[in-house]
Amino acid sequence: NAGVTQTPKFRVLKTGQSMTLLCAQDMNHEYMYWYRQDPGMGLRLIHYSVGEGTTAKGEVPDGYNVSRLKKQNFLLGLESAAPSQTSVYFCASGTGNTIYFGEGSWLTVV
Amino acid sequence: AQSVTQPDIHITVSEGASLELRCNYSYGATPYLFWYVQSPGQGLQLLLKYFSGDTLVQGIKGFEAEFKRSQSSFNLRKPSVHWSDAAEYFCAVVRGSGGGADGLTFGKGTHLIIQP
Repeated sequence: NAGVTQTPKFRVLKTGQSMTLLCAQDMNHEYMYWYRQDPGMGLRLIHYSVGEGTTAKGEVPDGYNVSRLKKQNFLLGLESAAPSQTSVYFCASGTGNTIYFGEGSWLTVV
Repeated sequence: AQSVTQPDIHITVSEGASLELRCNYSYGATPYLFWYVQSPGQGLQLLLKYFSGDTLVQGIKGFEAEFKRSQSSFNLRKPSVHWSDAAEYFCAVVRGSGGGADGLTFGKGTHLIIQP
């Protein structure tokens, strides 16, 4: 009963390094999302996808790229990490009337 | 653009007392509204949602919420809180008009503290 799985859960990066966060869902959902959560800011949508091979920008897309090559996977990339990208990242998937969240990935950029 | 306001950053309630968390939204049409709960270090769990119909919505863990169009509100209530209800609570509204495909816009959250 995995639901939405994110890897890695914790990562420390140096400024300028790149990395990819992987999200996998086993519920056959068409829609997938990447959010970031910062203290006092709630969750903000970075990018999302409404189906395999599609992506769209959310509220805070700058500095991130995404890909949805397979329906069950949604990758979030940081090409050149900055301290401002220190955050907790949540992946989610859904059908439109319900969205399910993963447990989060804690990223620190030093 | 859609927006959600949760006016209370922190709320402290005694165990066994009633609870009401406020949520106001801005949305052009009939909104799809949600309440999520987040325990420390965890992801978000859906408590309840409103799409249409009965304006009083029942959720999990004994929570309910009432949609009031005239006040643009969707307040969360519980008649008697338990220590395990201490968490962060988020109200959210569907973005765009695609029936939820474009994701949710979240409020900034209300941190609930339970006093023994």
